[in-house]
Amino acid sequence: SQELEQSPQSLIVQEGKNLTINCTSSKTLYGLYWYKQKYGEGLIFLMMLQKGGEEKSHEKITAKLDEKKQQSSLHITASQPSHAGIYLCGADERGNQGGKLIFGQGTELSVKP
Amino acid sequence: GAVVSQHPSWVICKSGTSVKIECRSLDFQATTMFWYRQFPKQSLMLMATSNEGSKATYEQGVEKDKFLINHASLTLSTLTVTSAHPEDSSFYICSARGLAGRANEQFFGPGTRLTVL
Repeated sequence: SQELEQSPQSLIVQEGKNLTINCTSSKTLYGLYWYKQKYGEGLIFLMMLQKGGEEKSHEKITAKLDEKKQQSSLHITASQPSHAGIYLCGADERGNQGGKLIFGQGTELSVKP
Repeated sequence: GAVVSQHPSWVICKSGTSVKIECRSLDFQATTMFWYRQFPKQSLMLMATSNEGSKATYEQGVEKDKFLINHASLTLSTLTVTSAHPEDSSFYICSARGLAGRANEQFFGPGTRLTVL
């Protein structure tokens, strides 16, 4: 079965700094999702990537899917305390799986003011 | 649009009792809903896939007789934890997909924290 590994597992940055979170898959990604979660709350959808080389941006967050479709990165520019939380990547398993997602273990981001 | 709600947001119950959690898609029809469980400091683990009008598909290791899922309509799925025990204490999150034109996207509910004493 497909597995997702995120790195780093946790990250503490100073406000205003840039950061990158990586998500590596053991198999080809047919749909890669990025979500943000605050502890004890639901997931907030950030972006979905499907095509090799695809890049999407929303405000100060940019996500990319590599050409081989096995790795994605999430980049935050000029981080703010509001960016703090747990970032999860999820993959849409191909086949007759009905679109169920598997998730990486998450990256916990803290932003120091 | 694409709002998913869960009720209750938290529940505390005694060991041996049953607890029902509701997941509703408020502004779209969800052909498929998913139930996840998340333990502290861990990622989400899929428990089961629920399709309207049919039996749920459970992931390996998830007891179907313990976690009863009913997807009675295109906007409601329920998860009942039967004879709950302290080890069932967890954060349960549902997601829904099926929004026309955005069938690949999943929208998550806010989660339900279950504590079994």
